[in-house]
Amino acid sequence: DTGVSQNPRHKITKRGQNVTFRCDPISEHNRLYWYRQTLGQGPEFLTYFQNEAQLEKSRLLSDRFSAERPKGSFSTLEIQRTEQGDSAMYLCASSAKGGAPNEQFFGPGTRLTVL
Amino acid sequence: AQSVSQHNHHVILSEAASLELGCNYSYGGTVNLFWYVQYPGQHLQLLLKYFSGDPLVKGIKGFEAEFIKSKFSFNLRKPSVQWSDTAEYFCAVIMSPDTGNQFYFGTGTSLTVIP
Repeated sequence: DTGVSQNPRHKITKRGQNVTFRCDPISEHNRLYWYRQTLGQGPEFLTYFQNEAQLEKSRLLSDRFSAERPKGSFSTLEIQRTEQGDSAMYLCASSAKGGAPNEQFFGPGTRLTVL
Repeated sequence: AQSVSQHNHHVILSEAASLELGCNYSYGGTVNLFWYVQYPGQHLQLLLKYFSGDPLVKGIKGFEAEFIKSKFSFNLRKPSVQWSDTAEYFCAVIMSPDTGNQFYFGTGTSLTVIP
């Protein structure tokens, strides 16, 4: 499968624990995005990388959230000291290089449940 | 504030009925427009997109959408729906494509097609 992959697909954790999610984009894509989706809502933008540079961050991304893309390939999203309000689907998307915005290809998401 | 509105939250249609889902955005500058679909248990997939040119765009599976700049709208249409069109539909907008690549999503419309 050459699409965007995300691991794990499901994560259940207790409040206060740290969690880390991984996203592997389509190999030739240099842009990578993280979104959060809660029930009954559309995905909300969290952050965006072009290669290894984190170019945009949403105000939704509190200081408990950190994202990295160290070699410009896969990315990780870490949530520290999780809260019940962090329960959501976390989506990763990637798009090809180019001057104009392009279609974003989405992964299956990681569903986080914080107990 | 920049936003995307989908006014139809739940739509139920019989097979062969015509479909129109509304999408409006609030932004006065250049936009790139997308419709994504999420079938049950699957990830978001692109239906169609508009960047420039002919405001009537055709996508996969018989879907089309019309960009009406004066109305800030990008409504999705299909002349005759099938049971297999049952899914969640999301409108997404890139606002200020020259400065940002993040999608603003609507809240989604759940479509149920009755055989």
